[in-house]
Amino acid sequence: GNSVTQMEGPVTLSEEAFLTINCTYTATGYPSLFWYVQYPGEGLQLLLKATKADDKGSNKGFEATYRKETTSFHLEKGSVQVSDSAVYFCALRYTGGGNKLTFGTGTQLKVEL
Amino acid sequence: GAGVSQTPSNKVTEKGKYVELRCDPISGHTALYWYRQSLGQGPEFLIYFQGTGAADDSGLPNDRFFAVRPEGSVSTLKIQPAEQGDSAVYVCASRSGRIGDPGNTIYFGEGSWLTVV
Repeated sequence: GNSVTQMEGPVTLSEEAFLTINCTYTATGYPSLFWYVQYPGEGLQLLLKATKADDKGSNKGFEATYRKETTSFHLEKGSVQVSDSAVYFCALRYTGGGNKLTFGTGTQLKVEL
Repeated sequence: GAGVSQTPSNKVTEKGKYVELRCDPISGHTALYWYRQSLGQGPEFLIYFQGTGAADDSGLPNDRFFAVRPEGSVSTLKIQPAEQGDSAVYVCASRSGRIGDPGNTIYFGEGSWLTVV
């Protein structure tokens, strides 16, 4: 079956540090890949996505590249801010399955001054 | 409304009681999803509606869980009887579901926190 594995948190960084959150997936075929973010007290929000191999998704300074050869979709940001503190979820979606999402367990990011 | 709306935001109930959780999707969205999120976990798929019908209910854990969407808009997730292991956040999401537009975004509600004591 489909599954997503992401690094455990919490990840604690100083402001302006470089961020990497690892995500790997297992799936048959070619799913679309997503990063969602959940700020405290809010619902999940789409951060970025990539629909095919070698695509790079980017938004708000975050980016992730769909790597088919390593089945990975690592999230990166060059300089984090305190306002980036949130829980980040990697997810995959199959178009043939009603577009339902399979999520990883989430990684909490804490950015300190 | 502007986003996916869920009520109640918090509910505490006793073991054995009946629970109803409501989801009001974004206006015009034909696809609706229910997920369950336990502490420290990602959301897990429960059921997916396309219009009024349940297109995929493979994630419902057992027959104590049931969901309806009688008019293709608002959906209700029902749990009867509730058990302590059902304590979690129940999250609803919707998507426009236009035919031929598989890349459209899924929008999530803030969830209903259910605690069964």
